[in-house]
Amino acid sequence: GIQVEQSPPDLILQEGANSTLRCNFSDSVNNLQWFHQNPWGQLINLFYIPSGTKQNGRLSATTVATERYSLLYISSSQTTDSGVYFCAVTRNTGKLIFGQGTTLQVKP
Amino acid sequence: EPEVTQTPSHQVTQMGQEVILRCVPISNHLYFYWYRQILGQKVEFLVSFYNNEISEKSEIFDDQFSVERPDGSNFTLKIRSTKLEDSAMYFCASSHRGSNQPQHFGDGTRLSIL
Repeated sequence: GIQVEQSPPDLILQEGANSTLRCNFSDSVNNLQWFHQNPWGQLINLFYIPSGTKQNGRLSATTVATERYSLLYISSSQTTDSGVYFCAVTRNTGKLIFGQGTTLQVKP
Repeated sequence: EPEVTQTPSHQVTQMGQEVILRCVPISNHLYFYWYRQILGQKVEFLVSFYNNEISEKSEIFDDQFSVERPDGSNFTLKIRSTKLEDSAMYFCASSHRGSNQPQHFGDGTRLSIL
């Protein structure tokens, strides 16, 4: 099956800093989503981005499907950005395959 | 914006008991999913459901698990005889169509088996 690898596994930032999270996947995909899991365990949908670039406020994402990776950019980070960021992909079936996540801590 | 709702938010059950987790998907969605996340680990697929039948299930989804859409709005996950290792966060998700559409997740049910 498809393998999904995220890097880095852990990231500590000072408030106001920028960061880039990476997601590599081992095969072509129909769907790629980025999620933020907050401290209460909720999975917040950030982007549906099987290809191309999207922006939403301080967050943006780029997926280069031909090279099998996606990047999530966080600019001017805030303490509320803390949590775990997951990348998940699906191919021909609907099931999402999740990466192990990047745990982000933003310090004030 | 429409959302997926899950109840209860937290369920505590004795080992060996049956538990039913409930979900109300987004109303015009046709595909439904259950995922589970053991504490500190990644989210894992359990089962997908379309047109009133299971379309795919993982190795985790053994005979102790079942899913049902008892009416036009609810989608349930039943664990027949719970084990300690069933303790996890269970997420329901839905999508309008299949693999080419985003999945929308509920807030999860935290299941604790004692």
